[in-house]
Amino acid sequence: GENVEQHPSTLSVQEGDSAVIKCTYSDSASNYFPWYKQELGKGPQLIIDIRSNVGEKKDQRIAVTLNKTAKHFSLHITETQPEDSAVYFCAASKGDKIIFGKGTRLHILP
Amino acid sequence: DAGVTQSPTHLIKTRGQHVTLRCSPISGHKSVSWYQQVLGQGPQFIFQYYEKEERGRGNFPDRFSARQFPNYSSELNVNALLLGDSALYLCASSLDRANQPQHFGDGTRLSIL
Repeated sequence: GENVEQHPSTLSVQEGDSAVIKCTYSDSASNYFPWYKQELGKGPQLIIDIRSNVGEKKDQRIAVTLNKTAKHFSLHITETQPEDSAVYFCAASKGDKIIFGKGTRLHILP
Repeated sequence: DAGVTQSPTHLIKTRGQHVTLRCSPISGHKSVSWYQQVLGQGPQFIFQYYEKEERGRGNFPDRFSARQFPNYSSELNVNALLLGDSALYLCASSLDRANQPQHFGDGTRLSIL
């Protein structure tokens, strides 16, 4: 079955700097890759997603890139702000279930 | 518009008991999926239901079951509770079952004593 690896597990960046989270997946049939942000006591919130027919997608300060050949995808957050502090999950899907990575705890330092 | 709603928010049970968790999807969404999230891990897929039928099942024992009602709401049932069932149970809804964005509720925190 699908396996999603996510790195790093913890990331600390200075406010205003960029943050990058990287993920790899194992099943070449996966074709949908969502990213979720989870704050304490809340459920995961979809922040951006990308499909396998697209290499890059951007939404304001957030961008995601996908390399199908290498089976890896990344989340980029620019101009980080205190409210970006949370746990971020990458995920992969090929139609039904979503397989999640183990998460990255992002700390934005003042 | 209301998001995905789950009830109860917190629940405490003892080993061997049974529990029923409830989920109401976003209006217009016909697919509901259930996930288990243990502390420090990503959510793990349990079930997906679409149009009242089970469309996918994760690697969970038969003690876990679910159903979807005509109004697309859903219940997750867990029998013979074990200490290891302590987790956050998340419900997600989507328009249909095929690679549509899934939107999560805030979950039910289940503690087994």
